[in-house]
Amino acid sequence: AQKVTQAQTEISVVEKEDVTLDCVYETRDTTYYLFWYKQPPSGELVFLIRRNSFDEQNEISGRYSWNFQKSTSSFNFTITASQVVDSAVYFCALSEGGSNYQLIWGAGTKLIIKP
Amino acid sequence: EAQVTQNPRYLITVTGKKLTVTCSQNMNHEYMSWYRQDPGLGLRQIYYSMNVEVTDKGDVPEGYKVSRKEKRNFPLILESPSPNQTSLYFCASSAQQNLIPYEQYFGPGTRLTVT
Repeated sequence: AQKVTQAQTEISVVEKEDVTLDCVYETRDTTYYLFWYKQPPSGELVFLIRRNSFDEQNEISGRYSWNFQKSTSSFNFTITASQVVDSAVYFCALSEGGSNYQLIWGAGTKLIIKP
Repeated sequence: EAQVTQNPRYLITVTGKKLTVTCSQNMNHEYMSWYRQDPGLGLRQIYYSMNVEVTDKGDVPEGYKVSRKEKRNFPLILESPSPNQTSLYFCASSAQQNLIPYEQYFGPGTRLTVT
């Protein structure tokens, strides 16, 4: 069965600190896709990244970086030098593709960046 | 501008009064989906559609109906709403193809309250 666990319900840090959001997934498929989405206080869902199971290279985009480790079934997200605008709920999601393309979502981590 | 629109954005209704939440996308996407978001549960899929006239149940379809008569529109129908359907609803579309899931584009959300 597919499952995504985001064990950190809420994280609070002071601006400019680095912060890592954890995501652990379960799947029996060898081909799957992992996503991160951001939901700012305004409520919309913003796509951040998609990674397939065959690409274990870490990715960096500005202050954002992602660490994909198949050995531990984790796809963690790090924000470097956090800013108040990073305050949001962050969701990790898993898709096995196939005929449904269904996304299985984690419960989300609420990130609070204090000025 | 590429977008997914939903209406209404906010709706307060009473138990048993039929309602429809509209969803429209202008990206010519074949895949569309409805989710509900509840605190601590992430997003859960209600129904999805792979193409016109092709719809199927997600994880929580009870109490909901959908239709896909045109590619761009995917309305969500609550025939007899109940208080446990009070939630935040998101419509999404995606250019999924060849069994590979791509980024899903989300509407702004509809906050529904059933009293």
